Amino acid sequence: GAGVSQSPRYKVAKRGQDVALRCDPISGHVSLFWYQQALGQGPEFLTYFQNEAQLDKSGLPSDRFFAERPEGSVSTLKIQRTQQEDSAVYLCASSLDGSAGAFFGQGTRLTVV
Amino acid sequence: GDSVTQMEGPVTLSEEAFLTINCTYTATGYPSLFWYVQYPGEGLQLLLKATKADDKGSNKGFEATYRKETTSFHLEKGSVQVSDSAVYFCALRDAGNKLTFGGGTRVLVKP
Repeated sequence: GAGVSQSPRYKVAKRGQDVALRCDPISGHVSLFWYQQALGQGPEFLTYFQNEAQLDKSGLPSDRFFAERPEGSVSTLKIQRTQQEDSAVYLCASSLDGSAGAFFGQGTRLTVV
Repeated sequence: GDSVTQMEGPVTLSEEAFLTINCTYTATGYPSLFWYVQYPGEGLQLLLKATKADDKGSNKGFEATYRKETTSFHLEKGSVQVSDSAVYFCALRDAGNKLTFGGGTRVLVKP
């Protein structure tokens, strides 16, 4: 596609529910990133893939967060047993390679009630 | 760890005024520096970048110069328009390709 596509755009989850957020990067982009953006804050790094390899997951806040990119293209961020503090916009970005500029999707706004 | 500090907003300006948004960083090594912009209802867009000391990034009338001696990357525009109203984020990229963002500065340009 023309840009990075994320789905769903909005997700409301009950506390304790599991959620899965999808990212379709720009075709051919090797690098894929996930960020978390709380209201009124800058994005915070979660994890980074190069093709299917997860090279850095140092930003994942707890073991309830899990990301995968099994075929080196589409990626899924899964959050288990959601908590209220997980409410945020989750951004996906891709780049041709890690050193090029990253293109961001519009994000998924997750609200945990 | 790496960090980026930018001036807090909101910054309110009249059309055709001069805009400066200050950004300073702390990093090990030699990061690349970026400005991203988020227009209302839209995703983050890369505005400009600089990859080494003394480089000047420019786009859409905006400029920023990578100043290693002051660890700064201030964003400037000589004459703003209403359409420049947005949130601006300064960011650095480390050797591991991770972006670290500042907290964002909201700019409101009034006609």
